Amino acid sequence: EAQVTQNPRYLITVTGKKLTVTCSQNMNHEYMSWYRQDPGLGLRQIYYSMNVEVTDKGDVPEGYKVSRKEKRNFPLILESPSPNQTSLYFCASSPRVYYEQYFGPGTRLTVT
Amino acid sequence: ELKVEQNPLFLSMQEGKNYTIYCNYSTTSDRLYWYRQDPGKSLESLFVLLSNGAVKQEGRLMASLDTKARLSTLHITAAVHDLSATYFCAAGRDSGTYKYIFGTGTRLKVLA
Repeated sequence: EAQVTQNPRYLITVTGKKLTVTCSQNMNHEYMSWYRQDPGLGLRQIYYSMNVEVTDKGDVPEGYKVSRKEKRNFPLILESPSPNQTSLYFCASSPRVYYEQYFGPGTRLTVT
Repeated sequence: ELKVEQNPLFLSMQEGKNYTIYCNYSTTSDRLYWYRQDPGKSLESLFVLLSNGAVKQEGRLMASLDTKARLSTLHITAAVHDLSATYFCAAGRDSGTYKYIFGTGTRLKVLA
């Protein structure tokens, strides 16, 4: 089944404890992206990747890192999480930029 | 700076009625997307509009794009309860980056 998977789906952590949220797609998509969803703010793009080893900042990249070493994987790294990074995070992929995006199930992160 | 504004933010309507959701964007993006999100779920793609005058229809939903007015509309015909969801429009930015900007969403509730 063609899909985007994220792990974990739920995570509660403490301020400053490094964490990684994984994202994987099995559709051979070139474009991958991370978003955060907050009430009243819609979705905001954190980082995106045009292809392997090609990443760039979205509109809210502060406090996040990404890497794209393989086409299928695009992990989101929070080196030192803070409470303002408490949010619902979505990974998405598309065959190329400007095609429709396929979204993962979401990861609900709480930083205390 | 590309901005995407949706209105209304909330919409409560009776079954069988028609209504339109508006999506205004602020720059010359010529790619517009509509997504649906059910409560507690991820986003799924509804429409991709790639050129001025584009119109797409799926069931009771019809989307259109006017790039000159920088306006896209999502028209709902004879609403049914199953259409209750949050609808997002998103624009793709062309000016040397490959970002997406999402609107804040329209929460639609169809009353029986």
